[in-house]
Amino acid sequence: AQKITQTQPGMFVQEKEAVTLDCTYDTSDPSYGLFWYKQPSSGEMIFLIYQGSYDQQNATEGRYSLNFQKARKSANLVISASQLGDSAMYFCAMKGENQGGKLIFGQGTELSVKP
Amino acid sequence: ETGVTQTPRHLVMGMTNKKSLKCEQHLGHNAMYWYKQSAKKPLELMFVYSLEERVENNSVPSRFSPECPNSSHLFLHLHTLQPEDSALYLCASSQDPAGGFRAYNEQFFGPGTRLTVL
Repeated sequence: AQKITQTQPGMFVQEKEAVTLDCTYDTSDPSYGLFWYKQPSSGEMIFLIYQGSYDQQNATEGRYSLNFQKARKSANLVISASQLGDSAMYFCAMKGENQGGKLIFGQGTELSVKP
Repeated sequence: ETGVTQTPRHLVMGMTNKKSLKCEQHLGHNAMYWYKQSAKKPLELMFVYSLEERVENNSVPSRFSPECPNSSHLFLHLHTLQPEDSALYLCASSQDPAGGFRAYNEQFFGPGTRLTVL
């Protein structure tokens, strides 16, 4: 069975500091992709970053980086230099090779950036 | 319009009403999806359409009826809903046909329709 677990319901970070949002996953598929989405209060899910299971290097996109530890089945999101606009819900998601393209989402983490 | 659009953004309906949610994608994608997002729960996949054919129906009650007339449009027809159906309904699209797998093809989401059933 596919499963995504985000154990932090809420996180606080000071503006300009870095923050790590945790994500662990479980899958039996040999190949899979991991995604992070941001959902502001407006509701839209915004794609942030992607990591493939066979990628040798951790993914980075601007201030976002993904700390991928395959053996531990974790894919934590690191946001550097937090900004007030980063306050939002963050969802980790996975798409497995044998799942017909379906994305499985975690419960989400609500990040609040303090000025 | 760009990306994925959804209308209406907010909808309040009684249990006996019939309404429809509309989704349109302007990305030339092959697959479209309906998700339900309830408070304190992960997103739940409801329906998947690939190349205008339904390929997935995750045990969704029949009071939700999807329609995909072409690759750019997706509807969710609602009738005799229950208060527990109140949620944010999100539409998404992706490049790969849903039956295939290319891990790097992310799904692009619309802004959602916030539905309240009285």
